[in-house]
Amino acid sequence: ILNVEQSPQSLHVQEGDSTNFTCSFPSSNFYALHWYRWETAKSPEALFVMTLNGDEKKKGRISATLNTKEGYSYLYIKGSQPEDSATYLCASPPGVMDTGFQKLVFGTGTRLLVSP
Amino acid sequence: DTGVSQDPRHKITKRGQNVTFRCDPISEHNRLYWYRQTLGQGPEFLTYFQNEAQLEKSRLLSDRFSAERPKGSFSTLEIQRTEQGDSAMYLCASSFEYSGTSNEQFFGPGTRLTVL
Repeated sequence: ILNVEQSPQSLHVQEGDSTNFTCSFPSSNFYALHWYRWETAKSPEALFVMTLNGDEKKKGRISATLNTKEGYSYLYIKGSQPEDSATYLCASPPGVMDTGFQKLVFGTGTRLLVSP
Repeated sequence: DTGVSQDPRHKITKRGQNVTFRCDPISEHNRLYWYRQTLGQGPEFLTYFQNEAQLEKSRLLSDRFSAERPKGSFSTLEIQRTEQGDSAMYLCASSFEYSGTSNEQFFGPGTRLTVL
């Protein structure tokens, strides 16, 4: 059974601080790693989909890295702003042969609060 | 707006009542997923459709739950004889079959169900 874990559970930083979160997943039978940002009362927004070991992706002040050999991904936010306040979720398909990559298994998320 | 839409956004019902939620996916997406998120947890997979065929159901989906996608476009999720444990956020997502291994999924804003 695929178990995706995220840490920390929550984080409170000041505007301008840089921060990072961790997502851990089993390294065997890896298909892909998804990062989502979920603001209150909105749809979860896809940030990155990463598939290759060593992948590094960037979107504005947010970047992510992937290590499939050791089973982790980091999400970095440079110079946090109050509008970055959200829950950040990572997810991975279970990689079971008959269902393949159709469904996602999510971590419990990291809730980020950025104070002005 | 061409994103995934869900209706209603909020539903309060009494225990024992039936409820039905609707999801309209992105028009060119042929895969549609239902997830459920309870407090403190990440979204959990319930079921998924490819076109009108329901290809997988989670063990979380008891006999009181039924999902349909009759014409391969919108989908409905019905819960019969609701219980307080059904209180959760119900999320719908869609994707395009030929998006490759990444299978990027796009989420709607969810329907928050409260069972009194």
